[in-house]
Amino acid sequence: GQNIDQPTEMTATEGAIVQINCTYQTSGFNGLFWYQQHAGEAPTFLSYNVLDGLEEKGRFSSFLSRSKGYSYLLLKELQMKDSASYLCAVTDSNYQLIWGAGTKLIIKP
Amino acid sequence: DADVTQTPRNRITKTGKRIMLECSQTKGHDRMYWYRQDPGLGLRLIYYSFDVKDINKGEISDGYSVSRQAQAKFSLSLESAIPNQTALYFCATSDTGVHTGELFFGEGSRLTVL
Repeated sequence: GQNIDQPTEMTATEGAIVQINCTYQTSGFNGLFWYQQHAGEAPTFLSYNVLDGLEEKGRFSSFLSRSKGYSYLLLKELQMKDSASYLCAVTDSNYQLIWGAGTKLIIKP
Repeated sequence: DADVTQTPRNRITKTGKRIMLECSQTKGHDRMYWYRQDPGLGLRLIYYSFDVKDINKGEISDGYSVSRQAQAKFSLSLESAIPNQTALYFCATSDTGVHTGELFFGEGSRLTVL
C-alpha cells in the first residue's frame, strides 16, 4: 500500500529552527509537495521537490532523498504565525497525490 | 475575491437529507478536485475531474456524487447524508503541467450531519 509518515505534533520556540520529517512509500514517484495549513483554513502550497537535494525559499527549505524515500521541511527564525499544520504529499506513478496526515507545529514564545 | 470559492461555508443538516456543496473557480484550470479532511487523517480524495467531460472516482467516493457543469464549476452532492460524512470538505484546482500536485484550495465547507 501507499503510505506517508510524518510526526503528529512538534513544539518549537520562537526564533529557533525546526525540521519536520516525512517518509514515504508510494507506487512510483513524480514529486513531493509541502503545504501549510492554519487551523480552520485551506492548505497553501509551500514547496515542490522532484530531484534530490535542498530547495530554499526564504525562511523555508525542503530537502528530498528519493533513494531513502525521505524529505524534510526546515523552518528557520520561527515566528508565531508559523504555528500551523504542515502537510507532506507525494505524486505517485499515476500523478495521483497521496497525503500525509500532517504535522501540527506549535510555536512557543 | 478568492480564486476558488465554495458554498456554503458551513452547513448543519440531518441524516437522510440531500446536500450539495458548490465550487467555482476563476483560475482557468481544467482540473478540479473534491477532498474531505477529518482530524488525524490526511486529505482524502472523493472525486476529481480533468475536464468538463471527465469525472473520476477517488479513494472514498461511496455516498457521494459530483457534477462538472462547466470548466469553472464542480459540485459535490451527498444524496442521503449520514453522520460519518461530518467533515471539512475542500474543493481544489490544478493546472495541467508538471506541477499537477500544486493545488489551489477553496476555503472549505464544514458539514455537520446530525
